[in-house]
Amino acid sequence: AQSVTQLGSHVSVSEGALVLLRCNYSSSVPPYLFWYVQYPNQGLQLLLKYTTGATLVKGINGFEAEFKKSETSFHLTKPSAHMSDAAEYFCAVINQAGTALIFGKGTTLSVSS
Amino acid sequence: DVKVTQSSRYLVKRTGEKVFLECVQDMDHENMFWYRQDPGLGLRLIYFSYDVKMKEKGDIPEGYSVSREKKERFSLILESASTNQTSMYLCASSTGQGFNEKLFFGSGTQLSVL
Repeated sequence: AQSVTQLGSHVSVSEGALVLLRCNYSSSVPPYLFWYVQYPNQGLQLLLKYTTGATLVKGINGFEAEFKKSETSFHLTKPSAHMSDAAEYFCAVINQAGTALIFGKGTTLSVSS
Repeated sequence: DVKVTQSSRYLVKRTGEKVFLECVQDMDHENMFWYRQDPGLGLRLIYFSYDVKMKEKGDIPEGYSVSREKKERFSLILESASTNQTSMYLCASSTGQGFNEKLFFGSGTQLSVL
């Protein structure tokens, strides 16, 4: 069955530091992978997605993620954190039927000045 | 921009009540979804729908039902609310057949069952 595991429920960084949010997946079919972000009191919005093709995927707000099949990983990175990046981040994989997304438990990112 | 509107931001209901959560999208999307979000558990899929009058169970459908009489509206029904259904409920929609389409989420309904 498809699943995602987000390592670390809470990550804290300083403004300007590298952001690294970890996601490992399990999938019996070629995976479609997604990162979503949820700002306080808002719904989720798509940051980036991997379906096929280039394994390094660029998203909005300077985020990117690299699909590594050998490591079954899809980690999210940003070179320099900004205060506005503080939010909850969810990794997701499409289910086996290809009909819906399965989300991880989320990682809360805190950014300090 | 696509807008997904959930009718209530906060709801407080009593145990045993029948509860309706409403969701409307304005972009003619075929697909609509209901998730619940709980701290430490992430989002879990309750039900989804690919067309009017069509529904599919997600991972945690027990205690819930849905209705989709019109393409733009997808309702989640708690037949007899229980305290373990206290949660944030998120509605989402998407277009297209495949899943390279992104989900558009509403802002959520925080339901408290007392």
